[in-house]
Amino acid sequence: EDQVTQSPEALRLQEGESSSLNCSYTVSGLRGLFWYRQDPGKGPEFLFTLYSAGEEKEKERLKATLTKKESFLHITAPKPEDSATYLCAVPSGYALNFGKGTSLLVTP
Amino acid sequence: DAGVTQSPTHLIKTRGQQVTLRCSPKSGHDTVSWYQQALGQGPQFIFQYYEEEERQRGNFPDRFSGHQFPNYSSELNVNALLLGDSALYLCASSFAGSSSYNSPLHFGNGTRLTVT
Repeated sequence: EDQVTQSPEALRLQEGESSSLNCSYTVSGLRGLFWYRQDPGKGPEFLFTLYSAGEEKEKERLKATLTKKESFLHITAPKPEDSATYLCAVPSGYALNFGKGTSLLVTP
Repeated sequence: DAGVTQSPTHLIKTRGQQVTLRCSPKSGHDTVSWYQQALGQGPQFIFQYYEEEERQRGNFPDRFSGHQFPNYSSELNVNALLLGDSALYLCASSFAGSSSYNSPLHFGNGTRLTVT
């Protein structure tokens, strides 16, 4: 069965303190890996799709990378507005199989 | 450009009752998926509708059913509510012209269902 595991469950950073979130997966024949951001009381907001090992994508302070077994979401010099839950997901047919997410809190 | 809209935003029901949640997809999208998100968990896939048919179903009992209308909007129905059905119910839309792995889902802000 396809599995998606995210770590850590929660992360607290000081403003400007860079870090990385991890998403490990076990799927047969990866057809893409998705990153979403979710603010409290809101639906997930699409960030990135990665398709092959070695691929990288960037958006503002976020950079997503992909290997054959895991993906990292690197956050460089985060700001308080980056506080959110970050979810990764892999396709399973027409569905997305999500991890439990990493809850990020960035304090001033 | 209107995104995915869901109604109602909040709902309180009693155990054993039935509930209907509604979703209008993003303009230009023709496929609707429903997800259940319990507190502190990632979204869990319930089912997807395309061309008014259920195209794929997740691991949810028959108490969960849905419908898609000719205008692509959709309803999620849950019968015989249990306390464990309390969750955020998310609707997501996409365009079937792209396959699931290169057309990211666009989510609504969900309906918060509380079963007492």
